[in-house]
This record gives sequence, structure tokens and C-alpha cells, in this order.
Amino acid sequence: GQNIDQPTEMTATEGAIVQINCTYQTSGFNGLFWYQQHAGEAPTFLSYNVLDGLEEKGRFSSFLSRSKGYSYLLLKELQMKDSASYLCAVSSNDYKLSFGAGTTVTVRA
Amino acid sequence: NAGVMQNPRHLVRRRGQEARLRCSPMKGHSHVYWYRQLPEEGLKFMVYLQKENIIDESGMPKERFSAEFPKEGPSILRIQQVVRGDSAAYFCASSRPGQGATGELFFGEGSRLTVL
Repeated sequence: GQNIDQPTEMTATEGAIVQINCTYQTSGFNGLFWYQQHAGEAPTFLSYNVLDGLEEKGRFSSFLSRSKGYSYLLLKELQMKDSASYLCAVSSNDYKLSFGAGTTVTVRA
Repeated sequence: NAGVMQNPRHLVRRRGQEARLRCSPMKGHSHVYWYRQLPEEGLKFMVYLQKENIIDESGMPKERFSAEFPKEGPSILRIQQVVRGDSAAYFCASSRPGQGATGELFFGEGSRLTVL
């Protein structure tokens, strides 16, 4: 089975940095993904890690440690539009994603 | 360049009725995935289809739920004799062959089913 844990909620101030942690236990591993989902909208792909280390993409970075079953998503220079739910997902094979329950990030002015 | 299109966006049904949710994948995508999202829970995989072929339906409830992706037309998720527990957001995603593994799934905006 799959078990993916991430915090339920986080709050941060505009311009600050927030780190969203994700731990996972899965029967197979084919990559870890982060998606962003605004309320009532479609999840949108943010990042993909399959090797250990940090992947940077603009204000967002994602880190993976396979030996620890751990990832984080780092959001820098927070903007109000970053208020959303952030979903950690693990692929155990070529196509099936198992999602965590999501972390709701609220950015305050 | 239209994205993944789902309809209806909102659907209300009474217990015992049928619900049909439609999904048209992005242009050039031949793989479709259905996920269900319950309140306060993560997206749960339901089924993976290619044209005229169900590849993996391990996430589908054994009864009342079925999915198809015909040669022509959208993919359809069908729920018969709906119960209150079926109330959820149903998301469809699509990908090109071989790109599902890299997470390059493009999601539709979901169909929100409410069962009264």
C-alpha cells in the first residue's frame, strides 16, 4: 500500500519562504511529484524528482531523499497568488499516482 | 489549445439515480485517468484507460462504477444507483503515451457530484 503524509495547513507572510514536507512509504517508486491546486480548480504540475537532490524552477524548488522517503517543496518570495493547496504525489509504476491529502498554504499580507 | 475538458462541472443527483461524467483529453493525448477527491482527502486513483481499452481499474469500486474510452468521443465515468458517499469531485487527467510516469498529467477542472 501507499502512505503519503504532509501537513494539513501552513501560513506565511507575503515575501517569506515556506517549506512543505512530505514523507512517503510506497511499495514501489518511480518518482515524486508536486502539484498546485487552487480552490475549485484543476491540479497543475509543479515538479518531478526521481533522483536525490534539489530541483530548482524559479521561485519553487523541490528536494528528494529516496533513502529517507522524504521530499520538500520550497516556495520563495511568496506572493498572494501562491495561496493554494500543494499536493505531494508518488508514482509506484508507469502511470499511477498516489496523492497525499494536500497542504493548504495561506499567504498573508 | 484546449486543455482537458470535463462536463458537467456540477451535477446533482438523488439517491438511486445514475451519474455520467465526461472527459475529453487534450489534443494528442490518448491516455486518460480518472481520480476521485473526497473532502479533506487526497486524490485517489480510480482507473486508467487508453482508447477502447481499460488498462488498470484497480481503484474502481467493484459495483456501480464503470468507465469507458471509446474510439470516438469522450471518456465516460458512469456511476449507477448513486449513494450519498459518492458525493465528491471527480477529476480526469490525460497524457501522451509514456509520459504518465513523469507526472506530466494534465488535469481537467473536475466534475463535482452531489448526491441528495
